[in-house]
Amino acid sequence: ETGVTQSPTHLIKTRGQQVTLRCSSQSGHNTVSWYQQALGQGPQFIFQYYREEENGRGNFPPRFSGLQFPNYSSELNVNALELDDSALYLCASSLARESYNEQFFGPGTRLTVL
Amino acid sequence: SQKIEQNSEALNIQEGKTATLTCNYTNYSPAYLQWYRQDPGRGPVFLLLIRENEKEKRKERLKVTFDTTLKQSLFHITASQPADSATYLCARTGANNLFFGTGTRLTVIP
Repeated sequence: ETGVTQSPTHLIKTRGQQVTLRCSSQSGHNTVSWYQQALGQGPQFIFQYYREEENGRGNFPPRFSGLQFPNYSSELNVNALELDDSALYLCASSLARESYNEQFFGPGTRLTVL
Repeated sequence: SQKIEQNSEALNIQEGKTATLTCNYTNYSPAYLQWYRQDPGRGPVFLLLIRENEKEKRKERLKVTFDTTLKQSLFHITASQPADSATYLCARTGANNLFFGTGTRLTVIP
């Protein structure tokens, strides 16, 4: 059984650029959630995808968008990057969309915006 | 607002002692609370889930309690070891997501 993987591991961008982060969910999981974790903070929910449809969104602007593919892998896109977007971006997959299900997190992508 | 708070940013204890971490919530009653462990540069790892109608849950050296009167969950690690050193996050369940506290960084001193 393969765990959740994310790519790239690290990324450096400049303000105003666009970035795409990728996530492969654990085998058998149809739900992927994305979280942003700033230094010293807990993860904050960005959005969730369930069977290729967005199924809930946190308090993030529209320049944060996502996709889920038929194999349940997912992408997070961020446009018009701002300095405050510098954070660890975590992807989590689960067996179903209900929040009480155990979330399996990937190692994260560390994004630095200069 | 519906907050979830972990009171201690950091906790240092001696090896072999019991570590107790606190998670408080206000203005709501979560149906579930989850606890995760996070090592530096890694994603959180699920440890335990407790339902609001459960007083206590155990898993090996870990124990979680849920007190709906005090609006508090306590997370205990008994016979702590240096390998238990990590940040521990509590999270309450939302409709389809988790709301995390800021975490408590535990250091177990040999």
